[in-house]
Amino acid sequence: ILNVEQSPQSLHVQEGDSTNFTCSFPSSNFYALHWYRWETAKSPEALFVMTLNGDEKKKGRISATLNTKEGYSYLYIKGSQPEDSATYLCASLDSNYQLIWGAGTKLIIKP
Amino acid sequence: IAGITQAPTSQILAAGRRMTLRCTQDMRHNAMYWYRQDLGLGLRLIHYSNTAGTTGKGEVPDGYSVSRANTDDFPLTLASAVPSQTSVYFCASSRGGSRSPLHFGNGTRLTVT
Repeated sequence: ILNVEQSPQSLHVQEGDSTNFTCSFPSSNFYALHWYRWETAKSPEALFVMTLNGDEKKKGRISATLNTKEGYSYLYIKGSQPEDSATYLCASLDSNYQLIWGAGTKLIIKP
Repeated sequence: IAGITQAPTSQILAAGRRMTLRCTQDMRHNAMYWYRQDLGLGLRLIHYSNTAGTTGKGEVPDGYSVSRANTDDFPLTLASAVPSQTSVYFCASSRGGSRSPLHFGNGTRLTVT
């Protein structure tokens, strides 16, 4: 079973500041990397699905990069807003085509 | 509204009792999944189904069973609940394939006493 790790576990960021956090996954037999946003009292919502080394995806102020050779992905948030407060999950697809999830990075935006 | 519906929202259950968590989707997705989410841990896959009529075991299948009689429904059954099954359970679906994102239900909070 893959080991997917996310860091930091939690993060406090001042409103207006930009931030980023990391998802690490085994680089061998890579298939896909998913990012999800999970707001309190809601269910996870998909942000990005990335498959190619060097891939970069963007949705509004949120973007993600992927390095499959070294086994990491960064999620960036530009100009953080209070509504960005959430837990951000990443998951890597294993050889059985099942997602293995990291424990998440909890982001708290301070007004 | 298209989506995925779970029921009940929450439940307190005595140990040893049988319980079925319901999950229904109207997106005609091929694949469906059951996860449990425990504090400090990532989502862990219990069972999955890649298409109607087939099911498979995930990372933590013991004590749980599923069925997939049709495309829309994917119930999860706890035959004889134990306190370690206290968790939040999420059902999810996807079109299938490596590039398809998961769509999640709102979760069922289960407490086994």
